[in-house]
Amino acid sequence: DIQMTQSPSSLSASVGDRVTITCRASQSISNYLNWYQQKPGKAPKLLIYAASSLQSGVPSRFSGSGSGTDYTLTINSLQPEDFATYYCQQGYSTPPLYTFGQGTKLEIK
Amino acid sequence: EVQLVESGGGLVQPGGSLRLSCAASGFTFSSFWMSWVRQAPGKGLEWVADINQDGSEKYYVDSVKGRFTISRDNPKNSLYMQMNSLRAEDTAVYYCTRDSRYSYGLGYYYYGMDVWGQGTTVTVSS
Repeated sequence: DIQMTQSPSSLSASVGDRVTITCRASQSISNYLNWYQQKPGKAPKLLIYAASSLQSGVPSRFSGSGSGTDYTLTINSLQPEDFATYYCQQGYSTPPLYTFGQGTKLEIK
Repeated sequence: EVQLVESGGGLVQPGGSLRLSCAASGFTFSSFWMSWVRQAPGKGLEWVADINQDGSEKYYVDSVKGRFTISRDNPKNSLYMQMNSLRAEDTAVYYCTRDSRYSYGLGYYYYGMDVWGQGTTVTVSS
């Protein structure tokens, strides 16, 4: 099974900051990497798919990059509504046995 | 409006059974892979199972193999999860998701779980 490791587990930042969250896969996943945002008590929301493609309706301050085993989610100019937990997810496995990272909680400093 | 609505959660004793349902609307249900994802209290997301468009392919996380069965009824636009031999560690919010996975020849595109339901809570406790 492919394991996904996110870092950091938690992060404190201020409105207007730029933050980066990292996700590392246990093997190459060829950009089959997605990012989700989850707010307390709500269902997750897809932000980025295929490592760097912005899901429709997601603000352009969110961006994704990476290749092979290492991927990053960057949020430019943090807004109050961005404070949430973020998860990466690999979709490389065939058959489709998906795995998520453990999550990164982004808190207000 | 594209929507997924789960139902069927509740309190059940260890060893008991539950059947979750997910009603889809606003899109061509029969064209999509579908998944169940769960989240234990205070924990992260865990993919549980998925099923292809016609129900001929089904896959499970190891911890539920032999106990959970995913199925679908395309004419009714519905996804199901039959959960048997439930354990305390199955306690979670269960989400139904739409998978944007498309096959071509021997390859596939995968654009993530782009639609999620609101979740249904399963509590396994005596």
